[in-house]
Amino acid sequence: EPEVTQTPSHQVTQMGQEVILRCVPISNHLYFYWYRQILGQKVEFLVSFYNNEISEKSEIFDDQFSVERPDGSNFTLKIRSTKLEDSAMYFCASSATGAGNTIYFGEGSWLTVV
Amino acid sequence: GIQVEQSPPDLILQEGANSTLRCNFSDSVNNLQWFHQNPWGQLINLFYIPSGTKQNGRLSATTVATERYSLLYISSSQTTDSGVYFCAVSGGFKTIFGAGTRLFVKA
Repeated sequence: EPEVTQTPSHQVTQMGQEVILRCVPISNHLYFYWYRQILGQKVEFLVSFYNNEISEKSEIFDDQFSVERPDGSNFTLKIRSTKLEDSAMYFCASSATGAGNTIYFGEGSWLTVV
Repeated sequence: GIQVEQSPPDLILQEGANSTLRCNFSDSVNNLQWFHQNPWGQLINLFYIPSGTKQNGRLSATTVATERYSLLYISSSQTTDSGVYFCAVSGGFKTIFGAGTRLFVKA
């Protein structure tokens, strides 16, 4: 079964540093997403992306965050000037269409900010 | 925005027991999925079920969209069923997760 892949699986970074999390969505999917899960809490929507632009974002997704599809296969989440509270599992997901379709999640990237 | 409530928040079962998990949502949706988050943090897609009933082995799910709820049934539970079960609904480009039901199955 095709799957969403994410790298790195775990990253430790110093507070104030920039982090880039990478994702390879399922190849024929058109919609891409990032979610965040702080340890012990629920999964929170960050942003959705279609046709090379953001289609929706949450209040969490402020100027500290950005997303990009630099080529035909990768989808990245950049976090600038990381803070301790950015420590979380970040999930990438993709779907064939934007609504009424199964969303497939990657295995997540653990980010620890120290 | 859409609100998603799951119950119960915690559940302890003896191996072999059956259980029903519930998900209520506040608005009409075009997507509803059930996920199992295993102890390693992976989100495993169980069902895509915006309406109707589906079964997969010991698991089945029913969504009654007109009444805005979904049920996940686990029969003959096993220790490997332990983890957190999330309901997630979408009304557009955003998917909202419930707080989850934390299940522990005792051997």
